[in-house]
Amino acid sequence: AQKITQTQPGMFVQEKEAVTLDCTYDTSDPSYGLFWYKQPSSGEMIFLIYQGSYDQQNATEGRYSLNFQKARKSANLVISASQLGDSAMYFCAMRGRSNDYKLSFGAGTTVTVRA
Amino acid sequence: DSGVTQTPKHLITATGQRVTLRCSPRSGDLSVYWYQQSLDQGLQFLIQYYNGEERAKGNILERFSAQQFPDLHSELNLSSLELGDSALYFCASSAGDRLIAEAFFGQGTRLTVV
Repeated sequence: AQKITQTQPGMFVQEKEAVTLDCTYDTSDPSYGLFWYKQPSSGEMIFLIYQGSYDQQNATEGRYSLNFQKARKSANLVISASQLGDSAMYFCAMRGRSNDYKLSFGAGTTVTVRA
Repeated sequence: DSGVTQTPKHLITATGQRVTLRCSPRSGDLSVYWYQQSLDQGLQFLIQYYNGEERAKGNILERFSAQQFPDLHSELNLSSLELGDSALYFCASSAGDRLIAEAFFGQGTRLTVV
C-alpha cells in the first residue's frame, strides 16, 4: 500500500519569497511517480510537476522545483518568487504498481501568499 | 486548460435522486479516473477505466456506477443520493493505464444534495 503524508496544514509566505511544502511517502514499489497539484479556491486541480523515482535529476517547471530525496522518501515542492496567485491548496500525490497506478493523494497544504 | 472536460460544473439535486456526471478525456488519452473530494474524506479514488474496460476500483459505493464509451468519454452515475454525497467530483485522464505518467484533471463537478 502507498501512503502520502503532508504534515503542514497551512503556511504563510511573503510575496517574492520562496516556500517549501513537505511531502513524505511510503511505498514498496521499485518504481513510482510523484506529482504535485495545485487547487485554487475555484476548485480545479492543476498539474504542476512530476518526478519519476528513477529520474537522476530533480524536476523543475518554471518557478516550481521538486526536491526529491529518495532515501528519505521525501518529495518536497519548492515554489520560488511567490506570487499572490500562488495562494491555493497544494497536494502531493504518487502512483505505482501496488496501487494499480491510480493517484494517491496527501491531505494537502494551504498556502497563503501575503503582499 | 487541461484538455479534460467535465459537465456540468455545478449540480444541485434532492436526496433520493439520480444524476449523471460526464467527462471527456484529453485527446488521445485512453485512461479515465474518477475522484471524489469532500471536506472530511479528502481526495478519494473511485474508479478507473482504460479503453472502455474497468481497470481499478476504489472506495466507490454500490449506488455509484461508471462506464467508458467507445469514443472514450466517461459517465459517472450516482443514484439514491444522500446528503453525504455532496462533494466535488473530478475526472482525470492519462495516456496509459500502467505508465507512470501525468494525469490531468477536469475542472470538476460540484454536486450539492439537498
